[in-house]
Amino acid sequence: GQSLEQPSEVTAVEGAIVQINCTYQTSGFYGLSWYQQHDGGAPTFLSYNALDGLEETGRFSSFLSRSDSYGYLLLQELQMKDSASYFCAGGLTSGTYKYIFGTGTRLKVLA
Amino acid sequence: DVKVTQSSRYLVKRTGEKVFLECVQDMDHENMFWYRQDPGLGLRLIYFSYDVKMKEKGDIPEGYSVSREKKERFSLILESASTNQTSMYLCASSTRGGKGRSYEQYFGPGTRLTVT
Repeated sequence: GQSLEQPSEVTAVEGAIVQINCTYQTSGFYGLSWYQQHDGGAPTFLSYNALDGLEETGRFSSFLSRSDSYGYLLLQELQMKDSASYFCAGGLTSGTYKYIFGTGTRLKVLA
Repeated sequence: DVKVTQSSRYLVKRTGEKVFLECVQDMDHENMFWYRQDPGLGLRLIYFSYDVKMKEKGDIPEGYSVSREKKERFSLILESASTNQTSMYLCASSTRGGKGRSYEQYFGPGTRLTVT
């Protein structure tokens, strides 16, 4: 079946850099999105990779390698407010509006 | 400011009741989605709709139905609520593929449903 795997939890200290990985089990995915969700809140869109390579948006960067069925979200200069859950989501076909979400990674930022 | 609203933040229902969850978006989006979120399982797609009166099953449609009579409104119906449907329900919307940024979904605040 189609699935996206993420580590369940990652811990890092304020000011550090952290990488959250996402691997997927099917070659059918096209494009990878990332969402952030604070406790009690709604998921909010962070970034999208349509092509292989790195996309940078401020302190956050996202990477995709379709040949390796792998992507990651990189968070730099971690702040306490970055403590949240992060989800990757894979699009099933080109131009699709249907995405499969990963299991989510809970990031804890320590002072 | 774009907005997706859901009818209730918290809902408690009894087993066997018919439950309606409403979602409204003000962005003129073609696509609307219903997910349930459970710890350790991420977001799982129940149903989605790409146009008025159109719907498609997601990964876990059993026990659910949907209705989309107007573009801005997408309803999730639990025909006969069961305790295993206790969960957080999230609605989302996006533009249609080909119109750009269809990959960006906007989520509502969620409805935490408890079935006793």
